[in-house]
Amino acid sequence: DIQMTQSPSSLSASVGDRVAIACRASQSIRSSLNWYQQKPGRAPKLLIHTASSLQSGAPSRFSGSGSGTDFTLTISSLQPEDFAIYYCQQTYTSRYTFGQGTKLEI
Amino acid sequence: QVQLVESGGGVIQPGRSLRLSCAASGFTFNTYDFHWVRQAPGKGLQWIAIISYDGSNKDYADSVKGRFLISRDNSKNTLYLQMTSLRADDTAVYYCARGDIVVVPAAGYYFDSWGQGTLVTVSS
Repeated sequence: DIQMTQSPSSLSASVGDRVAIACRASQSIRSSLNWYQQKPGRAPKLLIHTASSLQSGAPSRFSGSGSGTDFTLTISSLQPEDFAIYYCQQTYTSRYTFGQGTKLEI
Repeated sequence: QVQLVESGGGVIQPGRSLRLSCAASGFTFNTYDFHWVRQAPGKGLQWIAIISYDGSNKDYADSVKGRFLISRDNSKNTLYLQMTSLRADDTAVYYCARGDIVVVPAAGYYFDSWGQGTLVTVSS
């Protein structure tokens, strides 16, 4: 199975900051990379699909980049509601593995 | 609007069986693949099973293969997960999720809608 590794595992930031979360695949997954946001007690929510496409309804301050093995989720200006856990996911193979998550906190 | 509602979770003894359901509404159920994803307490997300739109293709994570069975009833707009030989490490919130495909600007696949989850606790 393809392994997905996120860094950092946790990140402290402030409202208004620009932050980036990295995700690395153990082999090339082309652009088959999605990003999800999860808040406590809630289901994950799709933010970015296919590495860089913003999901309908997701705020434009979220953006994704990368291809092959290295990907980045960037939040341009943190808002209070953005403090959550973020997961990357590969869909290149049918064992749809997730990264371990990055907790974004104040 | 798209709605997925899981049910069937609870406390169950090790070795016993449990069936989860996911009732779908607000879209054409029989045109989408579906997945089960679980999350152990305080842990990350783990994909565990997929079923194709017509039920003809299924796949499982190694951790549940041979013990769990995914199925669907397109006449009832409902997805199922039959779990047998349950173990303590199966304790988790179980989510159903809809899979969708995009072809432009690049081909991709993602989970665009999720249920609220149902908690399964395996304990004696």
